[in-house]
Amino acid sequence: AQKVTQAQTEISVVEKEDVTLDCVYETRDTTYYLFWYKQPPSGELVFLIRRNSFDEQNEISGRYSWNFQKSTSSFNFTITASQVVDSAVYFCALSEPTTSGTYKYIFGTGTRLKVLA
Amino acid sequence: EPEVTQTPSHQVTQMGQEVILRCVPISNHLYFYWYRQILGQKVEFLVSFYNNEISEKSEIFDDQFSVERPDGSNFTLKIRSTKLEDSAMYFCASSVRNYGYTFGSGTRLTVV
Repeated sequence: AQKVTQAQTEISVVEKEDVTLDCVYETRDTTYYLFWYKQPPSGELVFLIRRNSFDEQNEISGRYSWNFQKSTSSFNFTITASQVVDSAVYFCALSEPTTSGTYKYIFGTGTRLKVLA
Repeated sequence: EPEVTQTPSHQVTQMGQEVILRCVPISNHLYFYWYRQILGQKVEFLVSFYNNEISEKSEIFDDQFSVERPDGSNFTLKIRSTKLEDSAMYFCASSVRNYGYTFGSGTRLTVV
């Protein structure tokens, strides 16, 4: 069965430090999508990135970067020069095909990031 | 940027009462979903809806739950007789294809 593991429950860093959030997934599918979402204290899910299984290029967006490695089934997320506004819970998710042909997301348990001033 | 709109943002209801959570998906989207997040836990799939019928549901989505697209624009989740354990954040989502959702900002349901 598909599974997403975020082993880090909570991470605290001091502002300006770099931080990496780990995500390891399990899937039988050859075609799948991986996602990262940010959930600030207000509760909404903020989309950060989607990656398909055929694109292993690392991606950088400002202070955010993602490292996708199929060989280790990992999709890690790095924030460079962290800021207090980065404090949130971050979820990694994997799309799973259903018997009806739609996709559902399997979420990890999330990593709570606290950035201290 | 088009949004998925959920109302209300917070609802408090008495145990045993029926509650309807409302969502307006993005207008050209074809697939609709509800997810649930109990406080402090992960986000869990409840149900997907396509072509005016449920396409997939989880074991959480029992007979107490139902979904409807009553008028071609709204997408609702009804809980017939709420229990304390139904207290959670409920997220609606929609997509053009069967992946790549847009999530709404959620409805926080508190059952007292």
